[in-house]
Amino acid sequence: GAGVSQSPSNKVTEKGKDVELRCDPISGHTALYWYRQSLGQGLEFLIYFQGNSAPDKSGLPSDRFSAERTGGSVSTLTIQRTQQEDSAVYLCASSLELGNQPQHFGDGTRLSIL
Amino acid sequence: QKEVEQDPGPLSVPEGAIVSLNCTYSNSAFQYFMWYRQYSRKGPELLMYTYSSGNKEDGRFTAQVDKSSKYISLFIRDSQPSDSATYLCAMRSFQKLVFGTGTRLLVSP
Repeated sequence: GAGVSQSPSNKVTEKGKDVELRCDPISGHTALYWYRQSLGQGLEFLIYFQGNSAPDKSGLPSDRFSAERTGGSVSTLTIQRTQQEDSAVYLCASSLELGNQPQHFGDGTRLSIL
Repeated sequence: QKEVEQDPGPLSVPEGAIVSLNCTYSNSAFQYFMWYRQYSRKGPELLMYTYSSGNKEDGRFTAQVDKSSKYISLFIRDSQPSDSATYLCAMRSFQKLVFGTGTRLLVSP
């Protein structure tokens, strides 16, 4: 597609459930990034991928969060045993490659934990 | 103290006004500076991307970087109601972006 595509656009789930968020980057972009946007917190970096590899996972908030990327394209962010503080908008971005290339964002997944 | 500080606003201006949006930062390692525009329930949209100190112009938008003062600005000329959005400054640190909290801009007709 023309832009970064994220699904679902909205997700409501009960506390304790697992959720999986999907990101489809711009075609040809080798670098992919996940951010979280919370009210009053701004945008917070979570993880990046170069190809299928995630060299630095230190931005993930806890071990309940994991991410993978397959085929150098689609990425999934998984949150296990969701907590209310996980409620946020999860944004994905991609860039042509790592380094000084600008990052382009999708519209995010709005996650609400009841 | 946050690495990037940005006034949250809201900033209200009449149509046609010149708008000035600003961010300060503390990390002198930041080398690349961006401005994103974000409409409600949408993702951030890249407006300006700069590296060096000085000005960069694109249509009605001018980005200004002063590395010596650790201060960046975005100017919007002839503001339009369609410019009403949240404006986020961002700075690149290695492979991640560090964002300000955003300034909400309201342009009234």
